[in-house]
Amino acid sequence: GEDVEQSLFLSVREGDSSVINCTYTDSSSTYLYWYKQEPGAGLQLLTYIFSNMDMKQDQRLTVLLNKKDKHLSLRIADTQTGDSAIYFCAEDKIIFGKGTRLHILP
Amino acid sequence: EPEVTQTPSHQVTQMGQEVILRCVPISNHLYFYWYRQILGQKVEFLVSFYNNEISEKSEIFDDQFSVERPDGSNFTLKIRSTKLEDSAMYFCASSERLGQGAYFGPGTRLTVL
Repeated sequence: GEDVEQSLFLSVREGDSSVINCTYTDSSSTYLYWYKQEPGAGLQLLTYIFSNMDMKQDQRLTVLLNKKDKHLSLRIADTQTGDSAIYFCAEDKIIFGKGTRLHILP
Repeated sequence: EPEVTQTPSHQVTQMGQEVILRCVPISNHLYFYWYRQILGQKVEFLVSFYNNEISEKSEIFDDQFSVERPDGSNFTLKIRSTKLEDSAMYFCASSERLGQGAYFGPGTRLTVL
């Protein structure tokens, strides 16, 4: 069946880079997504990557896709306190992982 | 910037009652979705809707659930006879095209007593 797996928690120091990882199972996914959920808020689409790409950069965000290993990652450069949130990866039919809670240390 | 809106923000109901959760998707979007998130758990897909019909639904979306687009702007989720385990945050989402990712509303918190 389809499933998306993520580590549940990540702690990084302000100014460092954060790397959030995700594995998915549906190899036919055409697009893969990263969403951000701040406390008490809805889901915000951060970025997405087409499956024939292996990298996409958007300002501080870099998405890497290893289609062979079905592995997706989100790198946030210069992590700031405003980046504290839960990050969800999702595949084509918008099946979500459980989310990775990013905690920023001062 | 256009956004998806949902009403009410919080709905409290008695078990067995019917509830209707309302959403106004972004106006030029064609694909509509409902998701739910039980507290502390993952976001779960319920249903997708395109061209005035359900295009896909999950196992969660059983006969007690229905969706409707009664006019050109609203998209509703009805739960006919609520159960305690229906308590969750319900998110509506819309997208202009398949594959571009969906834009989510702020959610409706449903509490079933």
